[in-house]
Amino acid sequence: DAKTTQPPSMDCAEGRAANLPCNHSTISGNEYVYWYRQIHSQGPQYIIHGLKNNETNEMASLIITEDRKSSTLILPHATLRDTAVYYCIVRVAYKRNTPLVFGKGTRLSVIA
Amino acid sequence: GAVVSQHPSWVICKSGTSVKIECRSLDFQATTMFWYRQFPKQSLMLMATSNEGSKATYEQGVEKDKFLINHASLTLSTLTVTSAHPEDSSFYICSARDPNIMNTEAFFGQGTRLTVV
Repeated sequence: DAKTTQPPSMDCAEGRAANLPCNHSTISGNEYVYWYRQIHSQGPQYIIHGLKNNETNEMASLIITEDRKSSTLILPHATLRDTAVYYCIVRVAYKRNTPLVFGKGTRLSVIA
Repeated sequence: GAVVSQHPSWVICKSGTSVKIECRSLDFQATTMFWYRQFPKQSLMLMATSNEGSKATYEQGVEKDKFLINHASLTLSTLTVTSAHPEDSSFYICSARDPNIMNTEAFFGQGTRLTVV
């Protein structure tokens, strides 16, 4: 699976959009971009994933650049409960019996 | 949706005793489950892959005789920390994915905070 690079930490004001970047310059054509987050003392939670098109769900939006070498997770209206570590993971979708490999992620602090 | 449940959420044990942590898939049958360990302010580190009906596969540096994994049914995997020591204190997390759904996300248990005193 391709390696990802994320900033170690970010702050965001409550109610504003949180934009979390991820670089994955070595991504291959059959690898998806997945985002998970981990709130303190809980297991990771799936947020969203995509291949090349932008994706949106009730939690977030995922914007993937045309060359697929980077992506941005957008939390449109961040709340204090969105404070967590956010992990960007690249992997081939059909590898269902292989584990997710976590990097260091981005620690997002939402500030009142 | 699919859910993975872990029990207990936290446990305190004396040094030298053993502790069992259970991981259950509630909505699907998981032929494979994964066990992670997380130390404070660090990321999740994969410990082992639990395979139903066969031996677990351990990551390099993880002692298989110390961290016993049993995956006796399609919905339950257990991790037993044997002869626990204070350095085994950590946050243990299991994960599974529904094998019948293509391109689905992985689900994680809520984690077990182990404190060895």
